[in-house]
Amino acid sequence: GAVVSQHPSRVICKSGTSVKIECRSLDFQATTMFWYRQFPKQSLMLMATSNEGSKATYEQGVEKDKFLINHASLTLSTLTVTSAHPEDSSFYICSADRPNQPQHFGDGTRLSIL
Amino acid sequence: QKEVEQNSGPLSVPEGAIASLNCTYSDRGSQSFFWYRQYSGKSPELIMFIYSNGDKEDGRFTAQLNKASQYVSLLIRDSQPSDSATYLCAVSGNTGTASKLTFGTGTRLQVTL
Repeated sequence: GAVVSQHPSRVICKSGTSVKIECRSLDFQATTMFWYRQFPKQSLMLMATSNEGSKATYEQGVEKDKFLINHASLTLSTLTVTSAHPEDSSFYICSADRPNQPQHFGDGTRLSIL
Repeated sequence: QKEVEQNSGPLSVPEGAIASLNCTYSDRGSQSFFWYRQYSGKSPELIMFIYSNGDKEDGRFTAQLNKASQYVSLLIRDSQPSDSATYLCAVSGNTGTASKLTFGTGTRLQVTL
């Protein structure tokens, strides 16, 4: 069964809206989660590393004020896309490190900004 | 700059044949290597991981790692139409947890009837 739960699976909203995506680890504690973005026909690009109880680490070129990450508990990380615009439309995927196991991915969130 | 290279394909193989997927990486310090399968519109799912040089087999899948050549491959035996997907190679600089992954662009596999 799934070990990482991601919600919502799909969001369609107007330009300027802020969108929050949740990533939960099921049955295990994840001190570290990762947020990726995937544009059509491209690979996954790491956006940021979410650390429980501390600030997220953003990859070069990712605006931390636009993509707000909160990892307030050991089982939940959230990504908020603030004032989303059409160019933010993408497939957002989270993952979590399970102890002594490779990363497991959530089912992804398809974000469409009109 | 860390890079992971894959042929984008499509790689077309007949049902029952062996599919061979290849990946090269530039960071000689890489320690962990992963193969993920991604169906269209879905998130990646882990197929295999390998840390040591040599072969690792799991059912119809075999991962092969050659650190000297900076090369990792995935063999799929007795290919089935359900294996048709994009296969992503991913590399990490660390073993264990909390490891950032660098992904290749993926190879699209088509298994024909």
